Amino acid sequence: AQSVTQPDIHITVSEGASLELRCNYSYGATPYLFWYVQSPGQGLQLLLKYFSGDTLVQGIKGFEAEFKRSQSSFNLRKPSVHWSDAAEYFCAVATDSGGYQKVTFGTGTKLQVIP
Amino acid sequence: DGGITQSPKYLFRKEGQNVTLSCEQNLNHDAMYWYRQDPGQGLRLIYYSQIVNDFQKGDIAEGYSVSREKKESFPLTVTSAQKNPTAFYLCASRDLVSQPQHFGDGTRLSIL
Repeated sequence: AQSVTQPDIHITVSEGASLELRCNYSYGATPYLFWYVQSPGQGLQLLLKYFSGDTLVQGIKGFEAEFKRSQSSFNLRKPSVHWSDAAEYFCAVATDSGGYQKVTFGTGTKLQVIP
Repeated sequence: DGGITQSPKYLFRKEGQNVTLSCEQNLNHDAMYWYRQDPGQGLRLIYYSQIVNDFQKGDIAEGYSVSREKKESFPLTVTSAQKNPTAFYLCASRDLVSQPQHFGDGTRLSIL
């Protein structure tokens, strides 16, 4: 069975500092990988996705993520955090099971940005 | 603009009452999903539908029901059998199986 682990429940960074949010997954083959962001009381917005090819993927709002097969990781990074990045971030793994997309979400990492 | 509309944004349920959450999409997506979100638990799948007039139970379907009479609509009913319905409910849809799901803005359900 597939699973996703986001080991950090809360992270606090200073504005302008770099950010890395960790995500580890468990799945036999290469899954589809996503990062979503959620502001309070809102739905999830897709930041970026990985299907195949280049292991470093660029997303919206200056985010990027790197797929490392050997470590089963898909960490999210941003070189310089802005106050507006404060939100909750979810890593997700999707697999194709007979035409059905099974998605497993991590439990999320809440990002706090301090001045 | 294409997107997913969930209504209402806030909903209150009395004991013994069924309530229905609306989800409409104009993205022409075939598949639609309902998730429940509780603090610290991520998203858990309630029901999903890949085509009209067909839907399947997810991981936590007990106490919920759905219908899919139209491609663009996938309403969720929270029945009185769901003893702990207070949560944030998210509807999603997707096109191809390899593509990410798109989400609505959610409905927060509370008990009176």
